Amino acid sequence: DTAVSQTPKYLVTQMGNDKSIKCEQNLGHDTMYWYKQDSKKFLKIMFSYNNKELIINETVPNRFSPKSPDKAHLNLHINSLELGDSAVYFCASSSTSQSTDTQYFGPGTRLTVL
Amino acid sequence: SQQGEEDPQALSIQEGENATMNCSYKTSINNLQWYRQNSGRGLVHLILIRSNEREKHSGRLRVTLDTSKKSSSLLITASRAADTASYFCAWSNSGYALNFGKGTSLLVTP
Repeated sequence: DTAVSQTPKYLVTQMGNDKSIKCEQNLGHDTMYWYKQDSKKFLKIMFSYNNKELIINETVPNRFSPKSPDKAHLNLHINSLELGDSAVYFCASSSTSQSTDTQYFGPGTRLTVL
Repeated sequence: SQQGEEDPQALSIQEGENATMNCSYKTSINNLQWYRQNSGRGLVHLILIRSNEREKHSGRLRVTLDTSKKSSSLLITASRAADTASYFCAWSNSGYALNFGKGTSLLVTP
């Protein structure tokens, strides 16, 4: 069974469109994250939710809106996509929000904005 | 910026050799972790070392931490082709979010 899954795996879309990426974890974890990995492989935290509440909200354009309908799901909606949004987006989860907890990553969603 | 540095950026060795990669960070930390990323995949946790520890072992992995120099190293002994991947250090100073280094790409050739 896949622990952290993301859909879609690949997403190619035009500038200006709105798109969503979905993430689900079946590990029973309380905390979920979204990371962005750029073309140079630099990985940066975007958001974190603990028990459906937003606890980390880094400097990210407000075109990005996370939503956690329940502890097992964290979706990322992006409005008015721009070329610079092209990246690989990773979802992750951990047992609690403490940084000492191992984070389990999904396989990533490669977003290409044309 | 919370971004750290990893050195080298890329490393190519032969099977059986040891691989050492270094990580430097800029802030005080409460723990430092190492993750591996195979091509096209998500990151996988390897090992965590707390700020009051100096060295930790896990199988063929050895991690050291020098908080006075704000640096850590990851040693993979007796490397295998399957160790080919990118390796990232990650640290936390807040107790919550992880900050990742730029990564070292390791290529192990048979």
